Amino acid sequence: KNQVEQSPQSLIILEGKNCTLQCNYTVSPFSNLRWYKQDTGRGPVSLTIMTFSENTKSNGRYTATLDADTKQSSLHITASQLSDSASYICVVSPPRGGAGNMLTFGGGTRLMVKP
Amino acid sequence: NAGVTQTPKFRILKIGQSMTLQCTQDMNHNYMYWYRQDPGMGLKLIYYSVGAGITDKGEVPNGYNVSRSTTEDFPLRLELAAPSQTSVYFCAGETTPGGQETQYFGPGTRLLVL
Repeated sequence: KNQVEQSPQSLIILEGKNCTLQCNYTVSPFSNLRWYKQDTGRGPVSLTIMTFSENTKSNGRYTATLDADTKQSSLHITASQLSDSASYICVVSPPRGGAGNMLTFGGGTRLMVKP
Repeated sequence: NAGVTQTPKFRILKIGQSMTLQCTQDMNHNYMYWYRQDPGMGLKLIYYSVGAGITDKGEVPNGYNVSRSTTEDFPLRLELAAPSQTSVYFCAGETTPGGQETQYFGPGTRLLVL
């Protein structure tokens, strides 16, 4: 069964510090790996998308990496801000046209940034 | 563009009642999805549609029905509400899965079944 595991489940950091969130997946083959940010009470919003051939993608202070050999991805947040407090979700997409195009979602990491 | 919109934002239902969760998008998405998100859990796919007139079951379809009569609308129907259906429901749209495409999510509908 395709799985996406994220760690840690929750994390508290001080404003201005960096942090790294982890994602391990078993989906293979896959089309792309996405990181979403979900603020409390809102729908997820895409941060980065990487195809299987990419190994890094940045979006401002967010940098995602992908190691397709070890099936691991990470999301690094630099100089955290209070507005970074949210859940971060790793999502793996099957190849186009495969398995009904159903995505596999991780359970998310809940990040809290404190002043 | 309004993007993906959902109504209502919040609803309380009694066991056995029925309701329709509305989802509309103005981004010309071919693909649309309904997910539920239970507290502390990942999103689970209920139903999806690859175009008008075409729908298919996801991972957790029991107790739900959908229709896709137009490209823009993808309503989710609960016929006999049960406490297990208490959750937050998200609708999402996508133009073409894979590659650099991404899903766009609506703001969610919080449903409480008592």
